[in-house]
Amino acid sequence: EDQVTQSPEALRLQEGESSSLNCSYTVSGLRGLFWYRQDPGKGPEFLFTLYSAGEEKEKERLKATLTKKESFLHITAPKPEDSATYLCAVQLGNNDMRFGAGTRLTVKP
Amino acid sequence: NAGVTQTPKFQVLKTGQSMTLQCAQDMNHNSMYWYRQDPGMGLRLIYYSASEGTTDKGEVPNGYNVSRLNKREFSLRLESAAPSQTSVYFCASSERTGDEQYFGPGTRLTVT
Repeated sequence: EDQVTQSPEALRLQEGESSSLNCSYTVSGLRGLFWYRQDPGKGPEFLFTLYSAGEEKEKERLKATLTKKESFLHITAPKPEDSATYLCAVQLGNNDMRFGAGTRLTVKP
Repeated sequence: NAGVTQTPKFQVLKTGQSMTLQCAQDMNHNSMYWYRQDPGMGLRLIYYSASEGTTDKGEVPNGYNVSRLNKREFSLRLESAAPSQTSVYFCASSERTGDEQYFGPGTRLTVT
């Protein structure tokens, strides 16, 4: 069965304290892995797409990496405005998209 | 450029009532999607339309119907609402399937 699991469910960091969010997947026919950010009461906002193991992408304080079984979203020196829920999603071979339940990140000043 | 718009923002229905959720995008995207988001379960794909004139089932299609009215608009219909359909519904669009998706602000639906 196709599954996407994100950990931890929630993460509290002090401003400047770097950490990583994990997205592990067991799917057949992976076509791409996506990271989104979702603020309370809003729709998800696209961050990155990764297509093959070893690929990395960066944007400001965020860096996404991909292996054959998992992806990491590294947050370097986070700021309070980075507080949000981060969602991971995988595109399956049949065009279906499977999302993880998300990691709720809180960054305290 | 409004991106993806959804109406209504909030809706309360009684069990058995019907309603249609509207979605429109102004990015000239080919593909459109409907998701539901429930606490602790993440977003689940209900239906998608890879291009104008086509629709396909996603992970949780039961109890829903969709219409791709034209390239801009994709509606979701609940024929006989049930309490299990209480959720937040998101519409999204992408240039084509497999590309990054752009989401609307969501519709919060409560079925009593």
